Amino acid sequence: ELKVEQNPLFLSMQEGKNYTIYCNYSTTSDRLYWYRQDPGKSLESLFVLLSNGAVKQEGRLMASLDTKARLSTLHITAAVHDLSATYFCAVVEETSGSRLTFGEGTQLTVNP
Amino acid sequence: GAGVSQSPSNKVTEKGKDVELRCDPISGHTALYWYRQSLGQGLEFLIYFQGNSAPDKSGLPSDRFSAERTGGSVSTLTIQRTQQEDSAVYLCASSLLSTQPQHFGDGTRLSIL
Repeated sequence: ELKVEQNPLFLSMQEGKNYTIYCNYSTTSDRLYWYRQDPGKSLESLFVLLSNGAVKQEGRLMASLDTKARLSTLHITAAVHDLSATYFCAVVEETSGSRLTFGEGTQLTVNP
Repeated sequence: GAGVSQSPSNKVTEKGKDVELRCDPISGHTALYWYRQSLGQGLEFLIYFQGNSAPDKSGLPSDRFSAERTGGSVSTLTIQRTQQEDSAVYLCASSLLSTQPQHFGDGTRLSIL
């Protein structure tokens, strides 16, 4: 059974600081996604990572994938308040078709 | 709009009643998924439809849950004899192909009294 673990689960940081969220998964996967969720809202797709060594960047967020280590990171550079949200990684197990298995989510709060 | 549409947005019902939740995917998307999000269990897969193939029902928690997708478009998730543990936000997603990112609707918040 595929397990996906994120850490930290809660992250409080100051504006302007950098930090990294980690996503570990337990079995072979060929696709990993990062989503953002604002309170009371649905999930917004941020990144799709499809191969070992893939790196995607959008604004202050950068995601990477190491399939050998079964690890993805979401790096936040010079955080701003607008980045406050819950971030989920989700993995597609190779043998499962297309079902997503989600991590627990990381609740990020960026303080002024 | 162009996004995934779900209705109702909120549903409150008594324990033991049946409920139907509706999902209208993005036009042209062949893949449709149902997930639920609850405080205790996080985000869980329920069921997946891809074109005319048999659905993947492996995530349905009990035989009280069923779903159908008519004409390859709109989907309905039905929960019979609702229980309090069914209280959650039910999210629908669709994707152009099964290998593409899934786009989520705003969800239906279901509360069982």
